[in-house]
Amino acid sequence: RKEVEQDPGPFNVPEGATVAFNCTYSNSASQSFFWYRQDCRKEPKLLMSVYSSGNEDGRFTAQLNRASQYISLLIRDSKLSDSATYLCVVTALFSGGYNKLIFGAGTRLAVHP
Amino acid sequence: NAGVTQTPKFQVLKTGQSMTLQCAQDMNHNSMYWYRQDPGMGLRLIYYSASEGTTDKGEVPNGYNVSRLNKREFSLRLESAAPSQTSVYFCASKGQGRYGSYGYTFGSGTRLTVV
Repeated sequence: RKEVEQDPGPFNVPEGATVAFNCTYSNSASQSFFWYRQDCRKEPKLLMSVYSSGNEDGRFTAQLNRASQYISLLIRDSKLSDSATYLCVVTALFSGGYNKLIFGAGTRLAVHP
Repeated sequence: NAGVTQTPKFQVLKTGQSMTLQCAQDMNHNSMYWYRQDPGMGLRLIYYSASEGTTDKGEVPNGYNVSRLNKREFSLRLESAAPSQTSVYFCASKGQGRYGSYGYTFGSGTRLTVV
């Protein structure tokens, strides 16, 4: 079983739609959670952190359910420019005590006119 | 522009050849990382360096070596390339991101093909 699992998609939605991505993680000791965005053939970029209380950044809302080990990302009023792959990322500890990021394989979003 | 710079952007190697991927950051970050990304899989950690002078293995270190030359630079070496090492390689450094959380900054990647 992968440590971080995501639906690979693609999600094909029209402009203006609301779309939700889900993610589950297996390590109950994970402390920090993120959504990254990756455009085609580009590097991943941090979109937002995810907090237990839920957090919002403009059209983007992230939620965390620690009990279910489940993370979500909601995008409202989708724009063409939102087309990308969205990576769910959690932290884990190395044996030396340092944090590392564990990446999901990503969910691809395609927004069409 | 401040950030993480990787070279080269593209490379084709023959099986058995060696090469070094270079990475430099100008953000005064302590931690640096090398990841590989393959289709259908998440980024996987090859090696990391928590600070200048230290390096440690990640999830998939076999076939690779690294050097943390100074605080800015962290290089990845393939001593004898194999087709299984065909991948996209990303270097990253860790600093303070938005929301007060630590955020990783990635380089633009190196697309490596081993034939």
